[in-house]
Parts: sequence; C-alpha cells; structure tokens
Amino acid sequence: NAGVTQTPKFQVLKTGQSMTLQCAQDMNHNSMYWYRQDPGMGLRLIYYSASEGTTDKGEVPNGYNVSRLNKREFSLRLESAAPSQTSVYFCASRDGHRGNSPLHFGNGTRLTVT
Amino acid sequence: GQQVMQIPQYQHVQEGEDFTTYCNSSTTLSNIQWYKQRPGGHPVFLIQLVKSGEVKKQKRLTFQFGEAKKNSSLHITATQTTDVGTYFCAGQGDMRFGAGTRLTVKP
Repeated sequence: NAGVTQTPKFQVLKTGQSMTLQCAQDMNHNSMYWYRQDPGMGLRLIYYSASEGTTDKGEVPNGYNVSRLNKREFSLRLESAAPSQTSVYFCASRDGHRGNSPLHFGNGTRLTVT
Repeated sequence: GQQVMQIPQYQHVQEGEDFTTYCNSSTTLSNIQWYKQRPGGHPVFLIQLVKSGEVKKQKRLTFQFGEAKKNSSLHITATQTTDVGTYFCAGQGDMRFGAGTRLTVKP
C-alpha cells in the first residue's frame, strides 16, 4: 500500500498563477484533510472532507478551494497564488467510521510563490 | 472553536536529559492524539488517549491525559538523538493541531 500520495513534491509559482495540488489515498478512508505548515510553525487546517461529497472550511481557507473528486482523491486549488501561500502542504486521511482513528499523512508538497 | 495550545515552543536538551511537552485545550476533549514529525518529514501518529487520567507508555515515552480531559503531556525519559523532531498534539473532531514543541538534542 502506498498510503497517502501527494503530487507534486515541489513547485515554484509566480504570483497570480494557479495550480492544483493532488492527493490520493488507497486505504479506503472516509475523511481527508489539507494542512499547511509554515517554517517553525505548526499545522494549520485549510479544508477537510469528512466523507465523499462533503467539504468544510478549516482555520485558514481563504485563497484556496478543494474538490473531493471521489473517495480516494482530494485536491487543493490555488486560483491566484500569493507569496503568503509559500508553505509546505500536507494531505492526510483517516477512517472516519472509526471515530477517533489516527491521521495518515502524505510526504508533503513544498510550494514557493515568488 | 476548539483550540489546543502547546508549551514550550522549543526545547533544547543534552542527550540523556528528560523532556516534557504540554498540551492544553480551552474545551473538554473526547480524545487527544500525539504525533511526531522528524526534520524534513511528515507527522507520524504516536498514540491516542481517550480516558480521563489515562497514562500510556511507549518505551521511554509516557503520555498522560488530564482528569478533566483538557490537558495532556508527553514525557521522554533519557532523550536520545533519535528523539529529535517536533511533537504535536491534536484534539478530536476536525483535527486541529497545537503549534508543536520542537525538540533538539545535543549529543
């Protein structure tokens, strides 16, 4: 099992460009999450999807959109990238049916916006 | 909404010394989870605490959940260089994390 796979691993964008970060999990998990982590800081929740067909805002949703394409895939889109969005982005999933199950993280996407 | 606060933000210890990080919530938690992130890596689940006053051990790591289920701690006995990383706590629900405690260990 690959677990949680994120693509790309690295990306450099210019201000105003758009891009989509991809995330897929092969663990049949119901819930998926997007976090950002800035240098020396913790994880901040951007958006999450408790189950297929639903998405909800987290702590820092401004400037982002998400799509829960199917049970496996949860993408994060930056419509007009800004330097403040330079960060490491982590996707995570968990088995929502188990209630208090742990999060499984991908390896992250390191995004730089110039 | 729910918020968890972690202290200290940073901790530098000599190898062999003990280390403790604390997690405090503004609301009662149904459970709390702890994660470790190695430098350059991604967070990895360590343990979950559910019961009031619960104590769990993993080798040199001891995890506690407060009686009121509003705070938790992670204690490492006799740190090793392999313990280096950032330790995060996360509350239930939408899985919001504390800011983490970054541990460095001097050999």
